[in-house]
Amino acid sequence: GAVVSQHPSRVICKSGTSVKIECRSLDFQATTMFWYRQFPKQSLMLMATSNEGSKATYEQGVEKDKFLINHASLTLSTLTVTSAHPEDSSFYICSARHKMNTEAFFGQGTRLTVV
Amino acid sequence: QKEVEQNSGPLSVPEGAIASLNCTYSDRGSQSFFWYRQYSGKSPELIMFIYSNGDKEDGRFTAQLNKASQYVSLLIRDSQPSDSATYLCAVNLEGWRGSARQLTFGSGTQLTVLP
Repeated sequence: GAVVSQHPSRVICKSGTSVKIECRSLDFQATTMFWYRQFPKQSLMLMATSNEGSKATYEQGVEKDKFLINHASLTLSTLTVTSAHPEDSSFYICSARHKMNTEAFFGQGTRLTVV
Repeated sequence: QKEVEQNSGPLSVPEGAIASLNCTYSDRGSQSFFWYRQYSGKSPELIMFIYSNGDKEDGRFTAQLNKASQYVSLLIRDSQPSDSATYLCAVNLEGWRGSARQLTFGSGTQLTVLP
């Protein structure tokens, strides 16, 4: 399958700071990228869908001003958690799809801990 | 009622046995069904997908779908300790290569294969 690289794999930050997570499709052009959040022992929850060159579509209950998503190119999407708080600590996972009607591939995930 | 339900487990089976994982879903419009394996601290990896009633086999894995009863299962034959992981069921409202936008995940079943 295609390769999606997510960086960093782990990050610890202080409360009130911002953290940027990168998601790259290494061997295909990702027209659509998805950002998920997973709390311990819970299911993956879709946060937002981003299409290259346009604004992200956020799921209900996800604050767009807190979770900034940029999908400026066909190979890179970024998620910035602004003014992070301990309750934002979670496992963030991206997935990417390169055209309509193809499966999406997951990145390795980012474990965010806010202290 | 949750859209996708799985028994959280843990499910323990001895090495070499058959592990049976079950999943039920509520939306009769669901078209395609996916099984993902997720190791602790890692992102999910796709094992199989199925979209037609009946069985689909891939190596030691068999997916079974019954749309009338709205359940999908995963059988793992000759279970190995390396199969120990959380198995996530996901359903999609579109066709078998449909958008991950509509992927809805169950909370996962934790499987332990005892050596």
